[in-house]
Parts: sequence; C-alpha cells; structure tokens
Amino acid sequence: AQSVTQLDSHVSVSEGTPVLLRCNYSSSYSPSLFWYVQHPNKGLQLLLKYTSAATLVKGINGFEAEFKKSETSFHLTKPSAHMSDAAEYFCVVSDLSGGYNKLIFGAGTRLAVHP
Amino acid sequence: DGGITQSPKYLFRKEGQNVTLSCEQNLNHDAMYWYRQDPGQGLRLIYYSQIVNDFQKGDIAEGYSVSREKKESFPLTVTSAQKNPTAFYLCASSNTGGRVYEQYFGPGTRLTVT
Repeated sequence: AQSVTQLDSHVSVSEGTPVLLRCNYSSSYSPSLFWYVQHPNKGLQLLLKYTSAATLVKGINGFEAEFKKSETSFHLTKPSAHMSDAAEYFCVVSDLSGGYNKLIFGAGTRLAVHP
Repeated sequence: DGGITQSPKYLFRKEGQNVTLSCEQNLNHDAMYWYRQDPGQGLRLIYYSQIVNDFQKGDIAEGYSVSREKKESFPLTVTSAQKNPTAFYLCASSNTGGRVYEQYFGPGTRLTVT
C-alpha cells in the first residue's frame, strides 16, 4: 500500500533562511509524488509534482524537491524563506491500484516564518 | 477564469439537519472528489466520481451522500447520520485516463454543526 510520512508537524524558520520540509514515502511501485500548499482557510495549491522524469523537480515560488529512491524520500526545499511562505504543506503520493486517480495525503507540516 | 467554486464558504447547522455543500468546476474534468479535513490531519477521501452518473465511496463515506448529474457539478450532502460533521470540506477535480493527474482544489467550505 502507498503511504507518506511527513517527519515534522511544525517547522519554524527566519525570513531569508533555507526551508527544508521532510517527506518519506512507501510504495510498492514507482510512485508519483506531489507537494501541495494550503494557506489558512483556503484550498490546496499544487507546488510541484514528480512523475518519473527528472529526479530534481522545480515548482512554483522557488520551491523544489528531490526524489531519492534509495532513501524513499521527497523532501521539499527553498533557498530563502519569505513571510508569504507561512502555510501548511502536504506531501502526497498517488495510488492507481484502485483503478482511479487516488491521492494519499501526509498529515501536513505547518511552516512558520519569522521576521 | 477556469477553476472550482464551492459555496458557501461558511455553513452553520443544527444537529440532526441534513446539509448540502455545492461544488462546481469549469475545467472540463471528468473526475471529481470530496475530501474532509480535520485539524492536524491530512485530507481524507469521502466520495469520488470518474464520470457523470457514477460515483464511488472513498475511505470515510458513512453519513455522506453525493450525486453527479452534470459533469460540472458534484454536490455533497452531509446527513444527520454523520456522527462528527464539523470539519473543513474540500472539493477537487482532475483529468482521468490511466495515468496520474494532479487534482485541482476549490477554496473549501467550513461546516459547523451545533
């Protein structure tokens, strides 16, 4: 079965410093992976996706993630945090075994950015 | 503007009443989904529909019902049988076709039942 584990429920950084949000996945086959962001009381927005092409995936707003099969990880990074990055971030793995486009969500990481 | 709309943004109901949440999309997507979000948890799938006039239960369908009479619309009814209905409800849509597609989300409806 597919699953994702987000290793930190809360991450706090200072503005201008790097961001690292960690995600490990479990999959019985080569997975497709996503990172979504959710600002308070809003819907989810896709940041980036990995679908077995390049292992380093660039997304919107300066975020990127690297797929590492040997470590079963898909960590999200950004070189320099901005105040507007404060939000909840979800690591997501796809599961087509049920015959439809199912997404399995991690529990989320809340990112706080301090001045 | 293409996207997904959900209405209302906030909804308050008394216990024992059914309530229907609206979801409309103009992305021409075949598939639509309803999720429930509780604090500190990821999203959990309630129902999904891959095509008009067809829908399937997700992981937590008890106490909910849906219909899919039009491609653009996928309303969710929270019935009085749902034991803990207070939550944030998100609707999504995607293409279909045997490979992985990202899902696009609406802004959500926050339901409070007292």
